Amino acid sequence: QIMLTQQAESLWISPGERVSITCRASQSLLYTDGKHYLSWYQQRPGQTTKALIYHASVRTDGVPTRFIGSGSGTEFTLSIEHVQPEDFAIYYCLQTLKSPLTFGSGTKLEIK
Amino acid sequence: QVTLKESGPGILQPSQTLSLTCTFSGFSLSTYGMGVGWIRQPSGKGLEWLANIWWDDDKYYNPSLKNRLTISKDTSNNQAFLKITNVDTADTATYYCARIGTGSGDFDYWGQGVMVTVSS
Repeated sequence: QIMLTQQAESLWISPGERVSITCRASQSLLYTDGKHYLSWYQQRPGQTTKALIYHASVRTDGVPTRFIGSGSGTEFTLSIEHVQPEDFAIYYCLQTLKSPLTFGSGTKLEIK
Repeated sequence: QVTLKESGPGILQPSQTLSLTCTFSGFSLSTYGMGVGWIRQPSGKGLEWLANIWWDDDKYYNPSLKNRLTISKDTSNNQAFLKITNVDTADTATYYCARIGTGSGDFDYWGQGVMVTVSS
């Protein structure tokens, strides 16, 4: 199965700063249609899990433009510019290229 | 507006069968390309994908659960189901259902989750 590694368990930043969360796959997530099957999700206590990015870089409808997905092959990044108080949460990457679908272990964004 | 809501027994004993229901609105599982998945999360831990079912009744399972899973749907009542047989304490978790976005392949809408405890 494809393994996804989110190296950072936690990241401490101050509101207003920029942060990057990385996700590394054990094999390329590029499909023959030219798209990468990597998506990003946000979990906040008491809230439903929120989809942020799909195909590595496409923002889901309604997601603020400060959330930016990038990367290709096996290396992917979720960047958040000018972090807002509501962005302090846990972020997961997910690969949907091959079954079994697999998630990264999650990265918790914490207030410095 | 797309919504999903999970329901389950809350607590059950080891060796029993866990039956979960996902009741959704705002889309139909009879629509071409639509799908629903189940994901679980033990308290304080990460997410684990369990199974997907598609509009054409195609099904995919996580092999790590070794044939314990059965996913199904009732299109006319806008529901999806998951059964897990022979549960043990390791199956204690919050269980989520989520819609699979057409074209995107990701889980674009999630339910709030239902907590399930396996205890003797």
